[in-house]
Amino acid sequence: GAGVSQSPRYKVAKRGQDVALRCDPISGHVSLFWYQQALGQGPEFLTYFQNEAQLDKSGLPSDRFFAERPEGSVSTLKIQRTQQEDSAVYLCASSFLTGTKNMYEQYFGPGTRLTVT
Amino acid sequence: LAKTTQPISMDSYEGQEVNITCSHNNIATNDYITWYQQFPSQGPRFIIQGYKTKVTNEVASLFIPADRKSSTLSLPRVSLSDTAVYYCLSAGGFKTIFGAGTRLFVKA
Repeated sequence: GAGVSQSPRYKVAKRGQDVALRCDPISGHVSLFWYQQALGQGPEFLTYFQNEAQLDKSGLPSDRFFAERPEGSVSTLKIQRTQQEDSAVYLCASSFLTGTKNMYEQYFGPGTRLTVT
Repeated sequence: LAKTTQPISMDSYEGQEVNITCSHNNIATNDYITWYQQFPSQGPRFIIQGYKTKVTNEVASLFIPADRKSSTLSLPRVSLSDTAVYYCLSAGGFKTIFGAGTRLFVKA
């Protein structure tokens, strides 16, 4: 079956522009995560959805970052007024269940590489 | 929040067994230990998960001692294609914390 897909794969934005990054999780997956990965670093948690509910957004770096999953499937991560420090790979992951154990068997998309110039 | 410590890098040769150990010094009772593999320009891929003792799947084995303060990922007979970054996690809530990972380089 299809895995997690993300679009666009690459995005170049000028400083100050708004961007929207899309994630299509695996069908039926309840949990959805967004991560930010800087070059040479591990993924850093941004936010977590259980269906359409955003249950944890503690990792969002600033109020310029906003995520939504209105129908409990596709999710969008929006970054307003992009800054150079926002340049990173943004990863989306989904998992089938929400129980503690199964939540950590996450399926990742290929990521969107954002470059802010 | 749970924090893990693992070696920055390791080298190995094809056909050898590789063991990567991770410290989970402040692991909580409800935390599970999970390992991921990441290749360049790809998202991480789930390898194995455990709570205690030993878990084995078709790819790897995971050893967790009784005190759960550490875990060891064992990769049998590595090949060049196992060159990647390996992450260990211990987490029990929504917030999944990845460390910097261990860069494994397999040589011919």
